[in-house]
Amino acid sequence: GAGVSQSPSNKVTEKGKDVELRCDPISGHTALYWYRQSLGQGLEFLIYFQGNSAPDKSGLPSDRFSAERTGGSVSTLTIQRTQQEDSAVYLCASSPGPTTYGYTFGSGTRLTVV
Amino acid sequence: AQTVTQSQPEMSVQEAETVTLSCTYDTSESNYYLFWYKQPPSRQMILVIRQEAYKQQNATENRFSVNFQKAAKSFSLKISDSQLGDTAMYFCAFFYPEKLTFGTGTRLTIIP
Repeated sequence: GAGVSQSPSNKVTEKGKDVELRCDPISGHTALYWYRQSLGQGLEFLIYFQGNSAPDKSGLPSDRFSAERTGGSVSTLTIQRTQQEDSAVYLCASSPGPTTYGYTFGSGTRLTVV
Repeated sequence: AQTVTQSQPEMSVQEAETVTLSCTYDTSESNYYLFWYKQPPSRQMILVIRQEAYKQQNATENRFSVNFQKAAKSFSLKISDSQLGDTAMYFCAFFYPEKLTFGTGTRLTIIP
């Protein structure tokens, strides 16, 4: 596609429920990143994919968080048993590789846990 | 681990004036890249400018320029002739080795 697409744009869920956030990177981009932006905070790195493998998942905050990428394209970030502190904007970005020219970001998914 | 610090949570400036946003970082690496990103209310992060650490010359992009002081680990962004469309959050970011590390951002408001 022309840009990085994320869905849903907004998600409200009840505490304890599982949620899935989707990211469609730019076609041909092999690198994909997930970041979390909490209110008033900067962007917190979660995980990085190169192709379908995740060489760096050091930022996942707990074992409730997982992510996968299939076909070197779409990625899904799953949060199990959501907690109120998971409320944030989740941003996805892609790049042609582990490039030094910056990433292209999507518009994010705003997750609210009530 | 790399850290990025933006010490100005909020700034405001009159339209057409010049404003400088501050950023410092900490690293033991010598070859890295620095970025400024803009985030308007649409939430999408937009690349403003990029600087290679091995280049002494400061990067410029139209009204945007940086003051890169490698020894001081400082990377400030100057916006000249500020416009209403410049109103946004601005994030400084450090790239090494394979990912960006961001500061906490500066909320910039351009006043008509």
